[in-house]
Amino acid sequence: KAGVTQTPRYLIKTRGQQVTLSCSPISGHRSVSWYQQTPGQGLQFLFEYFSETQRNKGNFPGRFSGRQFSNSRSEMNVSTLELGDSALYLCASSLLGTGDEKLFFGSGTQLSVL
Amino acid sequence: QKEVEQDPGPLSVPEGAIVSLNCTYSNSAFQYFMWYRQYSRKGPELLMYTYSSGNKEDGRFTAQVDKSSKYISLFIRDSQPSDSATYLCAMGDTGGFKTIFGAGTRLFVKA
Repeated sequence: KAGVTQTPRYLIKTRGQQVTLSCSPISGHRSVSWYQQTPGQGLQFLFEYFSETQRNKGNFPGRFSGRQFSNSRSEMNVSTLELGDSALYLCASSLLGTGDEKLFFGSGTQLSVL
Repeated sequence: QKEVEQDPGPLSVPEGAIVSLNCTYSNSAFQYFMWYRQYSRKGPELLMYTYSSGNKEDGRFTAQVDKSSKYISLFIRDSQPSDSATYLCAMGDTGGFKTIFGAGTRLFVKA
């Protein structure tokens, strides 16, 4: 069974640009969660999608957005990039997305903003 | 104040040592407690999963939850160089639709 796939693995952007990251969950998983990981802050929750609906959102500015498609694949978008957005962005999938479930993570997209 | 507090380390121990990793939390609604392990340039993987208070053992790993103190621990016995990784505590409740993570503790086990 294929794991969670995130593309691209690495991205370099400049301030003010926008970026789109992609996540393909494990087959059969309907929930996709996104996290931002930085050395100082650890893993911070961005948002969670289930059946194309955002059910929960973390404390991030509106520049961070996401969506989920009918096949459960998800994308997140960051507009007007800032230097502080440099981080590892991780996607995790699970069957239902409830807080008691095991999460399966992809290897992440390393975003560098110059 | 963060919902979950975890000392980021780094923690360096000799091979064979007993390692103790800890987290505290503030949200009493959390009922499910997990430990994930993350190797360099990889995503986290679930290591231990416990529900409510108590202990759970799996090989060299023991997870402890004390809900009254809002404190969870992970013990690693006979630590190996291959245990060198970042260990993240995580927790959630059924209806929250999110899992909250600690900052992660970097562990180095020296041969």
